[in-house]
Amino acid sequence: AQTVTQSQPEMSVQEAETVTLSCTYDTSESNYYLFWYKQPPSRQMILVIRQEAYKQQNATENRFSVNFQKAAKSFSLKISDSQLGDTAMYFCAFNGRGAQKLVFGQGTRLTINP
Amino acid sequence: DAGITQSPRHKVTETGTPVTLRCHQTENHRYMYWYRQDPGHGLRLIHYSYGVKDTDKGEVSDGYSVSRSKTEDFLLTLESATSSQTSVYFCAISPSQGWDGYTFGSGTRLTVV
Repeated sequence: AQTVTQSQPEMSVQEAETVTLSCTYDTSESNYYLFWYKQPPSRQMILVIRQEAYKQQNATENRFSVNFQKAAKSFSLKISDSQLGDTAMYFCAFNGRGAQKLVFGQGTRLTINP
Repeated sequence: DAGITQSPRHKVTETGTPVTLRCHQTENHRYMYWYRQDPGHGLRLIHYSYGVKDTDKGEVSDGYSVSRSKTEDFLLTLESATSSQTSVYFCAISPSQGWDGYTFGSGTRLTVV
């Protein structure tokens, strides 16, 4: 079974700094999808970024980018120029090509301080 | 808003009582999911559906059942609620087995006393 591990339960940075959240996963598949979700205090789950494993290029969405290292099974999220509104829980998730469902990591609670 | 609603948003119930949570979508997506969120565990899959009357178990399905009689509705039932089922429950939908990610409902906070 696939597993997803987020080794940083909590992180805290100052506004405008860059922060990187770590995620590793375990799979024997070669084709899969990876995601980062954000959950602010409102509890709503928001898709931040998506990466397809067969694409070499790292996905980017505005201030959010990923470092996808397929051989190392690592998928980290970098937030540049962090803002107070980035304060949230962040979840890494994996979906194998034939799995029909996402497997989530334990989450990282990120606090952006003014 | 996304076309997925969960009801109720909050519920307090007593141990041993049955509870049903409802997920309703207007997106006509084939796949629907129920997850529970607990501190330190992230989101864990309870059950999912890949079509009307087609459901399968997730990793934490004990004590839960589901039904999907229409494309738009996916019901989660706690047959006899226990304190260990106190959690936040999320419904999610996807048109494509989750390859594009999910759209989530707003969650239901369930407290079993």
